Amino acid sequence: EAQVTQNPRYLITVTGKKLTVTCSQNMNHEYMSWYRQDPGLGLRQIYYSMNVEVTDKGDVPEGYKVSRKEKRNFPLILESPSPNQTSLYFCASGVRGREKLFFGSGTQLSVL
Amino acid sequence: GDSVTQMEGPVTLSEEAFLTINCTYTATGYPSLFWYVQYPGEGLQLLLKATKADDKGSNKGFEATYRKETTSFHLEKGSVQVSDSAVYFCALSAQATGNQFYFGTGTSLTVIP
Repeated sequence: EAQVTQNPRYLITVTGKKLTVTCSQNMNHEYMSWYRQDPGLGLRQIYYSMNVEVTDKGDVPEGYKVSRKEKRNFPLILESPSPNQTSLYFCASGVRGREKLFFGSGTQLSVL
Repeated sequence: GDSVTQMEGPVTLSEEAFLTINCTYTATGYPSLFWYVQYPGEGLQLLLKATKADDKGSNKGFEATYRKETTSFHLEKGSVQVSDSAVYFCALSAQATGNQFYFGTGTSLTVIP
């Protein structure tokens, strides 16, 4: 089944404790991206990647890192999480940047 | 920069009512336009899209027409059902801005029997 898999689904952590949210897709998509969803602000893009070893900042990259060492995986890293990064995070992938995006089920992160 | 503005919610309609959710955009060049739907507890999924002016996207009874002259992509459905209750996002993507996707803030729709 074609899908984008994010883990974990829920995560509660404390300020400053490094964490990684994993994202994997099985559709051989070149394009992958991360978004955060906040009430009243909709979805905002954090980082995106057009291919392996190619990543670019979105609108809200501060405090986040990503890597794209393999085509299928695009982890989101928070080196030192802060409470303002409490949000619902979505990973997405697509054939090309302008085409349909496939979304994961989301990761609800709470930073205390 | 590129952006999408969609009507504020929440929207509450009775079953079989007519639905319109307004969406306007600002973009460099000629973007592709999308409507995505998010059901409770799930990720977004594509509802419909249009890639050039005057194109009409349609799916599951929903329609939207790409209007370049008014920079709009309004979502419509003639008769909503309870199962249409969800959050709807308008979005664009433009090659001129590196193929980033820009989403609106989302409009929550609740359909009551």
